[in-house]
Parts: sequence; C-alpha cells; structure tokens
Amino acid sequence: NAGVTQTPKFQVLKTGQSMTLQCAQDMNHNSMYWYRQDPGMGLRLIYYSASEGTTDKGEVPNGYNVSRLNKREFSLRLESAAPSQTSVYFCASRPLSGNTIYFGEGSWLTVV
Amino acid sequence: ELKVEQNPLFLSMQEGKNYTIYCNYSTTSDRLYWYRQDPGKSLESLFVLLSNGAVKQEGRLMASLDTKARLSTLHITAAVHDLSATYFCAVLYGGATNKLIFGTGTLLAVQP
Repeated sequence: NAGVTQTPKFQVLKTGQSMTLQCAQDMNHNSMYWYRQDPGMGLRLIYYSASEGTTDKGEVPNGYNVSRLNKREFSLRLESAAPSQTSVYFCASRPLSGNTIYFGEGSWLTVV
Repeated sequence: ELKVEQNPLFLSMQEGKNYTIYCNYSTTSDRLYWYRQDPGKSLESLFVLLSNGAVKQEGRLMASLDTKARLSTLHITAAVHDLSATYFCAVLYGGATNKLIFGTGTLLAVQP
C-alpha cells in the first residue's frame, strides 16, 4: 500500500463527537476515494474526488463531509459520530491514466 | 443505478477443486478490477481487465471479462489453502462520474 497514508489507524469516539480522517497520497494522482467496510461486507463508496477542488457523493454519503483542498490530500469528516458509523474506512487513489488503484491500510473507527 | 453483484457470497472448497466466482455489473464501464483481502488487511490488487474478451492469469487464478454480458469471472484452478480470502470485483464507471463501485465480495474457504 505504498503511497497512500491514512491517519489515524485506530480511533474510539463517543456518540456525538466529531473527527476527521486524513488521507494523503504522494503519487500525484487525480482521483481519490473514501470507502467504509462493515464486518463481513464489501466496500461502500462514501465520497470521491475526480480532481483537486471537486467532490461527489457516493453510495452512502449521509453523516459525512469531505474536503479536497489540494491534489495530495482528501479528508473525511464525521460531524456528529453515531454508532452506525463504526466501521473500517479505506482511502484510495487513482491516476488519470493508468490502471492501478492504490489503497491505504485502513482506519478502524469505533463509536460508542 | 450503478450496481455490482457477486456470487456466490460464500464458497467452501476442497483443495484441488476448481470453481468460478461471478461478477455482474449494471452499466457500461471503463474497466474492471479484482482484489483479494485477507482478514484485518487492506486490499491486494489481482487483475485489471480493460476490454471485451480480456483474460488474465496469475498462478491458480484466471480472470475474464465479457463487456457485452457485463460479466466478469474469476476462475480458481486446483485450489490450495493459501487462496482462502475474500475476493472482490470492482467496476470503474468513467466519463463524468469516475466512480469505483465494489461488489459484495466472495468469502473463499479452502479446506484441506
């Protein structure tokens, strides 16, 4: 998973707290993605960004906000965390051309 | 609506047997990916399929793509225990959307 860095790796939040998951890539990629993976399930797209300054909703955007202020970084914010947002979050990036998609190592989030 | 469906969801195989995982998707896509995920880990890229009729092989795994049928298959030949993992297909919807949507995943358990 070289090149895509997610922080933090583990986090426990109380219901109603806010936090931001950070994702950074050093490969000059255009597209970046945020997914959540619940136990025993596939990855569901939360938000994605085709280029710097643009973001679009994915399959499950409710309860989240994102920010793509520069090409390198794509952050995911939970404004008021809920237990239903307990999940593993993955960030990914993709170049404009080229076939490989790179994933971060994941962020384990528990909301109690 | 962009949908990606995999079947089966769970596959228990004996070592030495052959089997196929199927991935159906709903609309025309730019490319199709196959990934492997081990428990507690991120995703490992297996194959990228770009065009109709594409076939790629790596070891005991072979992936193919039929864009007319909107179907990809991942064929496992003479399974071994080390192949036990969850396998995902993912479809990149290009053009203006640039969405990467994952299938539900197939949990493969290879029994000795």
